[in-house]
Amino acid sequence: GENVEQHPSTLSVQEGDSAVIKCTYSDSASNYFPWYKQELGKRPQLIIDIRSNVGEKKDQRIAVTLNKTAKHFSLHITETQPEDSAVYFCAASRSGGGADGLTFGKGTHLIIQP
Amino acid sequence: GAVVSQHPSWVICKSGTSVKIECRSLDFQATTMFWYRQFPKQSLMLMATSNEGSKATYEQGVEKDKFLINHASLTLSTLTVTSAHPEDSSFYICRAIRADTQYFGPGTRLTVL
Repeated sequence: GENVEQHPSTLSVQEGDSAVIKCTYSDSASNYFPWYKQELGKRPQLIIDIRSNVGEKKDQRIAVTLNKTAKHFSLHITETQPEDSAVYFCAASRSGGGADGLTFGKGTHLIIQP
Repeated sequence: GAVVSQHPSWVICKSGTSVKIECRSLDFQATTMFWYRQFPKQSLMLMATSNEGSKATYEQGVEKDKFLINHASLTLSTLTVTSAHPEDSSFYICRAIRADTQYFGPGTRLTVL
């Protein structure tokens, strides 16, 4: 089955700086890669996703890059703000929208220092 | 936008009792619902996949007789934790999908004393 590795487990950055979280996956058949933000005790919120036919996708301060050859994808947050503090999870799936279930990384606790 | 609800949001029960958790898609018909479990400071682990009108598919290591899933309609799936024990205490989250639409429920915090 799929195995998703996520690094780092904790990331502390100064407000205004950029944050990068990286994930690798093992199943070459995976073609859908979403990123979720989860605040304590709440549901994961989809913040951006990318499909395997695209190398990069951007939405305001958030961007995701995908390298299918190397089987890794990354989340980039620029101009970080205190409200970006949360746990971020990457995930991988063989079907668009995660119709076959999602395999999650272990999560990254992002701390934005004021 | 589409919303997925869960009930209850939290529950405390005694060891040995059974607890039922409901997951509802409020304004769309979900072809598939997934159930995840999340222990404190850990990731979401897929427990089972549920399709309306058919038996759930359980992930390896998840006891189907302990975690009963019923997907009675396109808007409702239930997870029953039978004979709950303290080690079952966790955050249980459902995810409903239809085509490219997907939403997580708000989760249910189960505490077994």
